[in-house]
Amino acid sequence: SAVISQKPSRDICQRGTSLTIQCQVDSQVTMMFWYRQQPGQSLTLIATANQGSEATYESGFVIDKFPISRPNLTFSTLTVSNMSPEDSSIYLCSVLGPYNEQFFGPGTRLTVL
Amino acid sequence: AQKVTQAQTEISVVEKEDVTLDCVYETRDTTYYLFWYKQPPSGELVFLIRRNSFDEQNEISGRYSWNFQKSTSSFNFTITASQVVDSAVYFCALSEAHDYKLSFGAGTTVTVRA
Repeated sequence: SAVISQKPSRDICQRGTSLTIQCQVDSQVTMMFWYRQQPGQSLTLIATANQGSEATYESGFVIDKFPISRPNLTFSTLTVSNMSPEDSSIYLCSVLGPYNEQFFGPGTRLTVL
Repeated sequence: AQKVTQAQTEISVVEKEDVTLDCVYETRDTTYYLFWYKQPPSGELVFLIRRNSFDEQNEISGRYSWNFQKSTSSFNFTITASQVVDSAVYFCALSEAHDYKLSFGAGTTVTVRA
């Protein structure tokens, strides 16, 4: 399976600021996704990161709040904008594997004060 | 819309006991994929198994086994002779072939006591 890294692994931020999370894969992948896991909850898909075009967002998530870039087949970023304490979560990127399984990065644990 | 239900919120067992995690799903697609993931206390999400909708064979991998039954829309997971290292949150998930987006169940927290 692909090796996926995320930066930062964790951060503590002040409300009203923005944080950009990076996801790097060691091989080219067709599909990349971003998920959010709120404290004690399951994972929820934020968006599908499309290479060379705008991301496809799920209901309840908007580009102004969670802008996503995917400049190539191995890299994507998710920005959490104008943060509030409700944005405190683990943010995970994933990639689609050869048998339609998804492999996840280690996650970015975000705390907003 | 697809949906995954894990009715068991928490399960606590003593080491060496067997534990079965239930998963029920809903989908209108005829081609779909079912998954189990493990999330230990460290937080990473570990892929355990994938099943496609056309393959109802049960699978065994070491102490883990999976029972897929389309007739009841269930994909249950059994850990045999549980160990403390099995303590984690286990998620069942489903994706449909047209977009591969994962829908997760709420997760079942398994605690194995020594």
